[in-house]
Amino acid sequence: DTAVSQTPKYLVTQMGNDKSIKCEQNLGHDTMYWYKQDSKKFLKIMFSYNNKELIINETVPNRFSPKSPDKAHLNLHINSLELGDSAVYFCASLGTGNYNEQFFGPGTRLTVL
Amino acid sequence: LAKTTQPISMDSYEGQEVNITCSHNNIATNDYITWYQQFPSQGPRFIIQGYKTKVTNEVASLFIPADRKSSTLSLPRVSLSDTAVYYCLVGPRGNLIFGKGTKLSVKP
Repeated sequence: DTAVSQTPKYLVTQMGNDKSIKCEQNLGHDTMYWYKQDSKKFLKIMFSYNNKELIINETVPNRFSPKSPDKAHLNLHINSLELGDSAVYFCASLGTGNYNEQFFGPGTRLTVL
Repeated sequence: LAKTTQPISMDSYEGQEVNITCSHNNIATNDYITWYQQFPSQGPRFIIQGYKTKVTNEVASLFIPADRKSSTLSLPRVSLSDTAVYYCLVGPRGNLIFGKGTKLSVKP
């Protein structure tokens, strides 16, 4: 009964390819996020959705496109992958209890060759 | 969003109390102070949050002075498994900016 799950856990691909990462939460939360953690361990917010609507869109290349088919899912599609996209991508959802308690998924390690 | 400053790293020994202080001079009235813990190869995990004074839960305590320009996370009697990166975040609900965090190393 995983709270926030991501697939795949590892993704190795060539430059120029298009790939998707899926995220699902079974917590009933309305708000979900995508974060990127680079090799220097800096965790940076990319997108946030609330009830399938985009509410936060940080300065991210438009090769990255989030899609939320319903409030339990937030997928991340990346076009024309570049070397600099190699990182760990975390999905999270915002709880309704504590003010800023986010529940993070296990992460997807993307390696672009 | 308020910027936070915390030590890059700290060392401790098992059984000791560890205090990690974070400064956030530009905290806004509606900002909460939240701390997260991240183990290698895992996503961050919420530890504790507070608005003012002191908050305690089963994992840690959070001390916030009256001016709210800083906060101190206190971990009682740390063990090897507390070795992790600890992030201090300040902001309104739903919009968190993670800094570089404090890498805590607990030694036997």
